[in-house]
Amino acid sequence: DQQVKQNSPSLSVQEGRISILNCDYTNSMFDYFLWYKKYPAEGPTFLISISSIKDKNEDGRFTVFLNKSAKHLSLHIVPSQPGDSAVYFCAASDFSGNTPLVFGKGTRLSVIA
Amino acid sequence: EAQVTQNPRYLITVTGKKLTVTCSQNMNHEYMSWYRQDPGLGLRQIYYSMNVEVTDKGDVPEGYKVSRKEKRNFPLILESPSPNQTSLYFCASSLSTVLSTNEKLFFGSGTQLSVL
Repeated sequence: DQQVKQNSPSLSVQEGRISILNCDYTNSMFDYFLWYKKYPAEGPTFLISISSIKDKNEDGRFTVFLNKSAKHLSLHIVPSQPGDSAVYFCAASDFSGNTPLVFGKGTRLSVIA
Repeated sequence: EAQVTQNPRYLITVTGKKLTVTCSQNMNHEYMSWYRQDPGLGLRQIYYSMNVEVTDKGDVPEGYKVSRKEKRNFPLILESPSPNQTSLYFCASSLSTVLSTNEKLFFGSGTQLSVL
């Protein structure tokens, strides 16, 4: 049973527009969520995170929103740039550290110039 | 420079020939983990280690072994590789398993393994 779901395998957005990547989770014990970005031939790199005590975290062009009641989070990229084209992985864990980080399947974002 | 180093980057082998993929981190991290990435399946955890001499199975441990004899190294061993283990493998580490806003998982650059 998949605990972290990214239901859109791919997304295409025009440069300058908003990119919205979605993630759903099923385990109510998760209280810490992260987004990782992966370019081809490289390992994933940390992008942004949010803990369950917040509903929004912003870092420059990247904002993550958390809706705990819906067990849903989203990553907004505004404005999107061609360099944002990558695979984005949503991940979840709990602060206790008893649950290793669980990743979604990823969403491939293509930003078209 | 803080990093997670995997070797080799690319490996082609034949069924049944034992191989080891090395992983080393220079950040004195307690937690290390191995993942495989396959199309449509994302990142799946193979094994993880919370500290020296402590290892646990992840989601897909079959066909793999690991060891954690020292803090910095966490090799992945395939005793008898099979074609279904053809994949992109990532090693990762973090200071601890208790993640916080100051804590994150660092990944190596990956090892592309092909088993013929």
